[in-house]
Amino acid sequence: AQSVSQHNHHVILSEAASLELGCNYSYGGTVNLFWYVQYPGQHLQLLLKYFSGDPLVKGIKGFEAEFIKSKFSFNLRKPSVQWSDTAEYFCAANSGGYQKVTFGTGTKLQVIP
Amino acid sequence: DTEVTQTPKHLVMGMTNKKSLKCEQHMGHRAMYWYKQKAKKPPELMFVYSYEKLSINESVPSRFSPECPNSSLLNLHLHALQPEDSALYLCASSPGSTGNTIYFGEGSWLTVV
Repeated sequence: AQSVSQHNHHVILSEAASLELGCNYSYGGTVNLFWYVQYPGQHLQLLLKYFSGDPLVKGIKGFEAEFIKSKFSFNLRKPSVQWSDTAEYFCAANSGGYQKVTFGTGTKLQVIP
Repeated sequence: DTEVTQTPKHLVMGMTNKKSLKCEQHMGHRAMYWYKQKAKKPPELMFVYSYEKLSINESVPSRFSPECPNSSLLNLHLHALQPEDSALYLCASSPGSTGNTIYFGEGSWLTVV
């Protein structure tokens, strides 16, 4: 079955620390990958996406993610986090020929000033 | 700001009530979605409309009835809900081709009493 796994459920970092959130997927064939962010009390916003091409994708607010096909991973990174990055982060995926997007369980990021 | 608009933002209804959630987008997208999100959980897909036809129904109970009057509007009719149906209901849209980014609305917070 198609699935998305996020193993870090709750991450606490100090401001200026580097961030890496893990995401693994199990899909056969072509896969499209997304990272969404949900700030407290707000809707889901797209951070970045990978469809094809350069496996290192850059998104908004200084975030980037790297698609590593051999590891079935799409980890999210940011060199230096800010307090305003406190939010829930969801990795998501769908296969090339299917509309259903599957979400991971989410990672709650808490940044301490 | 999101270009997917949902109303109402908050709804409290009794178990015998009939109510509707509404969603509108003017981005010319041809696929529209209903997701359900419980607290601290990822969004779960309920329905997908593609070119105004229901293309995916994730075995949702019949007390939830979707409707797509035209390419810009999506409704979710609610009848005889249970308290466990209380959740954030998210509408989303995408251009229509598979693999496109899904854009979410702010959601409608539903409480069933």
